[in-house]
Formats: sequence, C-alpha cells, structure tokens
Amino acid sequence: DVKVTQSSRYLVKRTGEKVFLECVQDMDHENMFWYRQDPGLGLRLIYFSYDVKMKEKGDIPEGYSVSREKKERFSLILESASTNQTSMYLCASSRPRDSPNNEQFFGPGTRLTVL
Amino acid sequence: AQSVTQLGSHVSVSEGALVLLRCNYSSSVPPYLFWYVQYPNQGLQLLLKYTTGATLVKGINGFEAEFKKSETSFHLTKPSAHMSDAAEYFCAVSNQAGTALIFGKGTTLSVSS
Repeated sequence: DVKVTQSSRYLVKRTGEKVFLECVQDMDHENMFWYRQDPGLGLRLIYFSYDVKMKEKGDIPEGYSVSREKKERFSLILESASTNQTSMYLCASSRPRDSPNNEQFFGPGTRLTVL
Repeated sequence: AQSVTQLGSHVSVSEGALVLLRCNYSSSVPPYLFWYVQYPNQGLQLLLKYTTGATLVKGINGFEAEFKKSETSFHLTKPSAHMSDAAEYFCAVSNQAGTALIFGKGTTLSVSS
C-alpha cells in the first residue's frame, strides 16, 4: 500500500511565523502535490513537483513556497503565516505522467490554524 | 481551461435508497476522470477512475460511474446506500495521465436510517 504521511495532523501558529509542512511518501513516486481544502471551495492546487528539485506553481501559490530536495519528501513553506492561510492542507503523490496507474494518493491532511 | 461542476453541495438519502452524485466537466481533450471520497478528519481515498476504454467504471464499496462524452458527465451511483457511505465526495479531472487534478467543490452525502 502507498503511504503518504504528513508531519502533523493539527498545527497552531501565530501570524508572521514561518511554517513548514512536511510530506513523505514511501512508494518512489515522481509526482508530488500540495493542495489546500476549504469548505465550499473543494481542493485547490498550491504547488506541484514532477521531479527532485523541480517545482511548478498551481492555482494559488501566493504566500507559499516549496522544497523538494529528495524524491520522497515535499515540503510546503508559509514564509509569513497569515490568518487567511488557516485551512486543511493535503499532500498527494502519484506515478509519473503517462503511467497507466496514475491516480493520486493522499496523506491524512494537516489542519493549520493561524492566530 | 478545465473545470469540474458538482451539482448539489449536499445530498441526503435514506438507507437502502439509490445514491446519485452528479459531476460535469469541461475539457478540450479526452479527460481522465476520478471520484474520491473523504471521511471525517481523513485524507482522500480513490473510489474509481476513468482513463480509457469501457465507459462504465466500477469502484470500491459498490460505487460505479459512467463516462458520457456527449453529456460531458461522470455521475457517481450506488444502488443501495449504507450508513457508512456518509462522507464528502469529490469529482476530479485531468487532461494528461499523472498530472495535477482539477477538483469539484465536493458533495456531502448524508444517509439516514
């Protein structure tokens, strides 16, 4: 079974803090993704990565950055947390493009509250 | 640009009744379509997917969906609802295998006894 783990289930931070959300997958997947989930808005893509040290912006990258130094780990960074970044953050991974089994596998999520 | 519309943010059914969750998509190329389920305080779990081939797709827990190109739809059905089906369901689309997904806003399914 694919396992995608996220460093924290719940996190509370103060406005202006630098926040790191970590995601690790154990199935040697090339692709990794970060989404945020908000009630009534579904999941929105923040950043994604198709390979180590590469990254691409998703639909809502403002206020976020990412790091992928190793294939199994994809970190989401909030440079200066703000209250409007209070949300559920979901990490996912998948096999490479054009792979026949290409569904995304999700971690359990990190519920971040910024006070 | 691709988009996904899920009709009805909340659907309520009785136990044993038919479940129908609606999903329409827009895509300029043949789409890859997915249904995911999310139970409270958990991540998303794949229910089923359509990539190519047979348009009627069977998934886990008795769910199935039919890809109808002419209607740009991928509705999710289950003949008989169970209490354990209560969850939030997301339809998603991508235009290339293994690329980022575009999600609908989700439909919360409630099942009453």
